[in-house]
Amino acid sequence: KAGVTQTPRYLIKTRGQQVTLSCSPISGHRSVSWYQQTPGQGLQFLFEYFSETQRNKGNFPGRFSGRQFSNSRSEMNVSTLELGDSALYLCASSPSGRGDTQYFGPGTRLTVL
Amino acid sequence: SQQGEEDPQALSIQEGENATMNCSYKTSINNLQWYRQNSGRGLVHLILIRSNEREKHSGRLRVTLDTSKKSSSLLITASRAADTASYFCATRAEQTGANNLFFGTGTRLTVIP
Repeated sequence: KAGVTQTPRYLIKTRGQQVTLSCSPISGHRSVSWYQQTPGQGLQFLFEYFSETQRNKGNFPGRFSGRQFSNSRSEMNVSTLELGDSALYLCASSPSGRGDTQYFGPGTRLTVL
Repeated sequence: SQQGEEDPQALSIQEGENATMNCSYKTSINNLQWYRQNSGRGLVHLILIRSNEREKHSGRLRVTLDTSKKSSSLLITASRAADTASYFCATRAEQTGANNLFFGTGTRLTVIP
C-alpha cells in the first residue's frame, strides 16, 4: 500500500496570507490527524477527522481549520498567517482512530515571511 | 503542551553500542508509541505497546512500559549509523473518542561510525 502523502512538501507565504495543505491517507484508513511541529513547542495535535467529521481538536486558534472528504482525503487551512505559524505540518492516518497505530506522512514545511 | 518528557535530550554513542532512551508521561494512557524522525522529515512508526503490556520486542528494538511509574524506555541494540535520528514517545490518552497523540520532547541520537 502507498503511504500517507502530503502536498505540497514546501511552501513559502507572507504574513496575512492563507494556505491550504493536503493529505491523502493510506488506502482504507478513515481517521486523519494533523500535527504541528516547531522547535519551540515540539509536536502538537491540531485536529482529527473521521468519516468527514471533526472528532477532536487541539488548542489552536480558529485560524486553523480543516475538513475531510468522502474519500478520507483531508485538507487543513490556515488563514491570516503569522510568523509563528512557520512549522512542519504533519498528517497521520489510522484505520479506525481507536487506539491503532498512526502512520505519518513526510510533512509540509511552511515558512511564513 | 506536551504530555511527555524524554531523557536524555541528546545521546551520542559508537556504532555497535546499545542506546537507551527514557520517556515519562503524565496521565493514564491507552497505549504508548515510539517514532523515529530523520532531520525534520516525517515520523516513522517503530513500535506500539498497550497499557496492559510490560515489554515488547521488534528486531533490534526493545520497549518497556511501567504504568505505575508512568514511564517507558526504548532500547536499540547493536546500533548502526543509520539509527542516527530523533526518537519520540507518544501517548494516547485513556479517553473514549480521543485518538490524538501527546508527544514527548524527543531524544536526539547520534551513532558514530
